[in-house]
Amino acid sequence: KQEVTQIPAALSVPEGENLVLNCSFTDSAIYNLQWFRQDPGKGLTSLLLIQSSQREQTSGRLNASLDKSSGRSTLYIAASQPGDSATYLCAVDGGKSTFGDGTTLTVKP
Amino acid sequence: NAGVMQNPRHLVRRRGQEARLRCSPMKGHSHVYWYRQLPEEGLKFMVYLQKENIIDESGMPKERFSAEFPKEGPSILRIQQVVRGDSAAYFCASSPGARGMNTEAFFGQGTRLTVV
Repeated sequence: KQEVTQIPAALSVPEGENLVLNCSFTDSAIYNLQWFRQDPGKGLTSLLLIQSSQREQTSGRLNASLDKSSGRSTLYIAASQPGDSATYLCAVDGGKSTFGDGTTLTVKP
Repeated sequence: NAGVMQNPRHLVRRRGQEARLRCSPMKGHSHVYWYRQLPEEGLKFMVYLQKENIIDESGMPKERFSAEFPKEGPSILRIQQVVRGDSAAYFCASSPGARGMNTEAFFGQGTRLTVV
């Protein structure tokens, strides 16, 4: 059974700081890993999708990496802004996804 | 191309009533997934459907919950005889292909069910 863990559970940083969110999973036989953003009371917004054959994906200030062999993914956010404040979720394997519990990020002005 | 559409956005039901949640997948997507997010908890998989077929319902409670995705129309998640513990956000996602293919999942805004 796949288990996904996200560390830290919460993170507070000053504006402008670079930060890394971590996601680990127990079963390395995955098809893909997807990072989402969820704002309070809202739905999920897809940020990045990494196929199992890929090592990383980039979109603007976001960079996600994937190391299947060690069961880890990281989401790097450069030059953080208050608008980045949200909960970030990683999900493993695609449509029938196993989600981590998320990292709640607060970026202070 | 509209995204995944869920309605209603908010639903209030009294204990014992039925709740019907609807999900229209993105155009061209024939794979639909339902998830539940209990207060202060993560998203948990409930059921995976293709048109007219339930592919995986391993996350569905054994009683009172059912799901369908008919040939025409939206996918429906039905909860019979709701109890307070059913209060949660229910999210629907769709994808163009099955596992092992292009399975980027696109999520709707969710239906927030409150049982009073």
